[in-house]
Amino acid sequence: AQSVAQPEDQVNVAEGNPLTVKCTYSVSGNPYLFWYVQYPNRGLQFLLKYITGDNLVKGSYGFEAEFNKSQTSFHLKKPSALVSDSALYFCAVRDMGRRGNAGNMLTFGGGTRLMVKP
Amino acid sequence: DAMVIQNPRYQVTQFGKPVTLSCSQTLNHNVMYWYQQKSSQAPKLLFHYYDKDFNNEADTPDNFQSRRPNTSFCFLDIRSPGLGDAAMYLCATSPDRAPYYEQYFGPGTRLTVT
Repeated sequence: AQSVAQPEDQVNVAEGNPLTVKCTYSVSGNPYLFWYVQYPNRGLQFLLKYITGDNLVKGSYGFEAEFNKSQTSFHLKKPSALVSDSALYFCAVRDMGRRGNAGNMLTFGGGTRLMVKP
Repeated sequence: DAMVIQNPRYQVTQFGKPVTLSCSQTLNHNVMYWYQQKSSQAPKLLFHYYDKDFNNEADTPDNFQSRRPNTSFCFLDIRSPGLGDAAMYLCATSPDRAPYYEQYFGPGTRLTVT
């Protein structure tokens, strides 16, 4: 069975400093990986995805993520954090094990709360 | 702008009183999903529609039902809400064609059960 782990419940960073939110995965075959952000009382917003190609993926709001196959990781990064980046971040992997009309099922990590302080 | 819309944003219902949450989309995606999310945990998939085909997750309680009368609309019915059903309910959509595998989420409906 596939799984996604976000080892940190919370990440604290000062505004202007680089940030990293960690994600590791376990799947059989090639993974399709995603990052979502959730602001308070809102739905999840898609940030970026890795399907194939360049290991460094650029997404919305200046975020990027690096796919590392040997370490089975897909860490989210941003060179300079903003207070407005404070939110809940979810890593997800597409479910490759379903049959039939399975759509695009996702397995989510447990989430990491990012706190950016002025 | 194309989007996923959920109504209402906040819903209060009484213990045992049926409630319906609605979701509509202008993205023309053929797959629609309903998730339950409690207190900043990961969203939990309840069921999804692939076109008109309904797919229930094995651990979704019978108390939860869904309807999709057309491509654009999907409803979540909770027949007899319990206190444990208080949560954020998220609707999402996706196309089913490569490489557009990401899901697009609505803003959610926060359900309170009194």
